[in-house]
Amino acid sequence: DAGVTQSPTHLIKTRGQQVTLRCSPISGHKSVSWYQQVLGQGPQFIFQYYEKEERGRGNFPDRFSARQFPNYSSELNVNALLLGDSALYLCASSLGYWGQDYEQYFGPGTRLTVT
Amino acid sequence: ELKVEQNPLFLSMQEGKNYTIYCNYSTTSDRLYWYRQDPGKSLESLFVLLSNGAVKQEGRLMASLDTKARLSTLHITAAVHDLSATYFCAVSPASGAGSYQLTFGKGTKLSVIP
Repeated sequence: DAGVTQSPTHLIKTRGQQVTLRCSPISGHKSVSWYQQVLGQGPQFIFQYYEKEERGRGNFPDRFSARQFPNYSSELNVNALLLGDSALYLCASSLGYWGQDYEQYFGPGTRLTVT
Repeated sequence: ELKVEQNPLFLSMQEGKNYTIYCNYSTTSDRLYWYRQDPGKSLESLFVLLSNGAVKQEGRLMASLDTKARLSTLHITAAVHDLSATYFCAVSPASGAGSYQLTFGKGTKLSVIP
């Protein structure tokens, strides 16, 4: 079975631009979470979606938004990019969003560089 | 606010030696995760610890959880070069909606020297 997939792998953007990152969860998984990992730090939680609804939001500005589609794939959008948005963006999928389905599987990540 | 502290942040050890990485967290939780990350790569799940006293072992790595002390340890036995990586612990809030929102420590960068 395919794991979590993310696209693109790398991208370079200029300050002020907008970016869209994509994630496809493991087949059968209905929950997708997004994390930002700045170089040298641990990942930070951005959003969690389950059944197309936002189920959690981390401490990130409104420039960050996300959505989940009927096929459970997800997009993360970041507007008005800042240099500080440069990071590895990780997507994690899980069967559910609470209860006993606790395993989370991370994708390979998208490396975003803002110049 | 849930806080997770790991120590040490950097660890250089010789092959064949033993060492322990510590992970302390600030509030009640019933799930603790350990991940490995190689440079430029994503996170690889090592262990999920679900209850007080839980102990799991895989090869040269053993993880344990003490929920009363809010402490987890990752013990490395007879280190080999292949274990060189950054190790993260992550904690989720107590059971309930939102309990998948992981809070990560800063990571422990392990270098195993021949």
